[in-house]
Amino acid sequence: KNQVEQSPQSLIILEGKNCTLQCNYTVSPFSNLRWYKQDTGRGPVSLTIMTFSENTKSNGRYTATLDADTKQSSLHITASQLSDSASYICVVSETGNTPLVFGKGTRLSVIA
Amino acid sequence: DTAVSQTPKYLVTQMGNDKSIKCEQNLGHDTMYWYKQDSKKFLKIMFSYNNKELIINETVPNRFSPKSPDKAHLNLHINSLELGDSAVYFCASRPTTGAAGELFFGEGSRLTVL
Repeated sequence: KNQVEQSPQSLIILEGKNCTLQCNYTVSPFSNLRWYKQDTGRGPVSLTIMTFSENTKSNGRYTATLDADTKQSSLHITASQLSDSASYICVVSETGNTPLVFGKGTRLSVIA
Repeated sequence: DTAVSQTPKYLVTQMGNDKSIKCEQNLGHDTMYWYKQDSKKFLKIMFSYNNKELIINETVPNRFSPKSPDKAHLNLHINSLELGDSAVYFCASRPTTGAAGELFFGEGSRLTVL
């Protein structure tokens, strides 16, 4: 069964620190992997999308990596800000017209 | 200009009632979705429509009936509401049914069933 597992489930860090969120998946055949940020009370917003051939992609202070061989991805946040407090959701897509497979998200809290 | 808009944002109603949530996208996308996010924040797909045609129905109770009058709109009607229907419902759209299209979400509609 296609699955996406994220860790940790939740994380608290001090403002200004870096952190890394993990995503492991069993989705096959793999097409692409996305990271979404969901602020409380809002809809998810895309941060990055990576295909099989890409192993790193940046969006400002967010850098996503992908290892398609080990089926792992990470999202690294540099110099965290209070506004980074949100849920981060890893979403993996199979090839073709099949539903996206969502992870359960990592809840990040950045505190002053 | 909001890309994917849902109404209402909040909905509080009694068990047994019937309610609808509306969704519109102005992105020109072909595919629209309804997702349910429960209290544990897990997003689960409910329905997918492509050009007004149903393409995914993920074992949702038949009390839930989506309706797509045109490819820019996908409404969700729920009959005989139950306590377990309380959740946030997200509409989303995508330019293609293929794997690569970017998925855009609405702001969500929080349904509370008393």
